[in-house]
Amino acid sequence: EVQLAQSGAEVKKPGESLKISCKGSGYTFANYWIGWVRQMPGKGLEWMGVIYPIDSDTRYSPSFQGQVTISVDKSISTAYLQWSSLKASDSAMYYCTRHSVDPRYCSSNCYMWYDPWGQGTLVTVSS
Amino acid sequence: QSVLPQPPSVSAAPGQRVTISCSGSSSNIGKNYVSWYQQLPGTAPKLLIYENNKRPSGIPDRFSGSKSGTSATLGITGLQTGDEADYYCGTWDSSLSAGVFGGGTKLTVL
Repeated sequence: EVQLAQSGAEVKKPGESLKISCKGSGYTFANYWIGWVRQMPGKGLEWMGVIYPIDSDTRYSPSFQGQVTISVDKSISTAYLQWSSLKASDSAMYYCTRHSVDPRYCSSNCYMWYDPWGQGTLVTVSS
Repeated sequence: QSVLPQPPSVSAAPGQRVTISCSGSSSNIGKNYVSWYQQLPGTAPKLLIYENNKRPSGIPDRFSGSKSGTSATLGITGLQTGDEADYYCGTWDSSLSAGVFGGGTKLTVL
């Protein structure tokens, strides 16, 4: 079974750093782009960015560029999302999800969909 | 303000049919395929429809998707109380070079 298992909930103070993880299993991890989606409390889904495990090619949403860093360790089938200095507004649930196609070929007729999803990591930033 | 507006909520009685719309533009829905996700309370989203109208294994045929121009629609027939969830459309925006989602629609089965 294809699965994505995320790290546990985190409680941090403003200004602290954080790195959360997402481990893939049941498929060849390196062959699929894997990305992150934010869901703030009571709000909708926001696509943050995506990374290709083979060469670490990374794409960010303009809204999240410079705010977070996405990385990967293909040797342990794990993707990461990290912050260098958290803000209260970073409090949210974060999901990782496998992307269906290579976004580099999505200029048109893009067959992009997201499956599966991790269980989510709740990040709470509070003083 | 979501890139892909959806109605905030819809409701219908058990057994009835409901549709959820998703509006886009020429750079996203008008150019690329649409997917739909179901998020039951307290759980992660789950793929419901992909490539506009295809259902993953295990998704009942009560769920259907369609696309016309820069809009997409999710249809659910034979509503059940277990269908109460938030539903999101998603696609790729070729101008942003980024994924985009609708704002989500909360389905209530009365």
